[in-house]
Amino acid sequence: AQSVTQLGSHVSVSEGALVLLRCNYSSSVPPYLFWYVQYPNQGLQLLLKYTTGATLVKGINGFEAEFKKSETSFHLTKPSAHMSDAAEYFCAVALYNQGGKLIFGQGTELSVKP
Amino acid sequence: KAGVTQTPRYLIKTRGQQVTLSCSPISGHRSVSWYQQTPGQGLQFLFEYFSETQRNKGNFPGRFSGRQFSNSRSEMNVSTLELGDSALYLCASSPSGQYEAFFGQGTRLTVV
Repeated sequence: AQSVTQLGSHVSVSEGALVLLRCNYSSSVPPYLFWYVQYPNQGLQLLLKYTTGATLVKGINGFEAEFKKSETSFHLTKPSAHMSDAAEYFCAVALYNQGGKLIFGQGTELSVKP
Repeated sequence: KAGVTQTPRYLIKTRGQQVTLSCSPISGHRSVSWYQQTPGQGLQFLFEYFSETQRNKGNFPGRFSGRQFSNSRSEMNVSTLELGDSALYLCASSPSGQYEAFFGQGTRLTVV
């Protein structure tokens, strides 16, 4: 069965520091991978996606992620955190043979200290 | 383009009642999915509709049902509400042939 594991339910960084949110997946076939962000009382906003092609993908708000098949990972990074990045982040997997179904990780809450 | 619209935003229901939630997808999107979000279980897939047909279903009891209309708008229904059904219900739409989902702001359902 497919699954997504996000290491660390809570990550705290200082403003201007590197953001690294970890995501590992389990899948028997090549997956499509996504990162979403959720602000309080809001829906999910797509940050970036990997489907095929270049394994380093860039998203909105300065975030990027690298697909590493050998490590079954899709970690999210941002070189310099901003206060407005404080939110909950979700990694998700979709499989080509399962239509629109997304499997989500448990989420990582990012706090940014001034 | 307008985003995914969910109505209502907030809802309070009594245990045993039923509820219907509505979702209007982004114009041109034919796939609509529903998710339940709770603090304990996280984000869980309920079902997905494409061109009025249920294409995929999650592991939820039969009290949870949905449908999609010819204009791609979708509704989900929960019958015989239980306290544990209290959650944020998120609707998402996807372009044909694409896998990324665009989410609405959700409907916060509270069962008392």
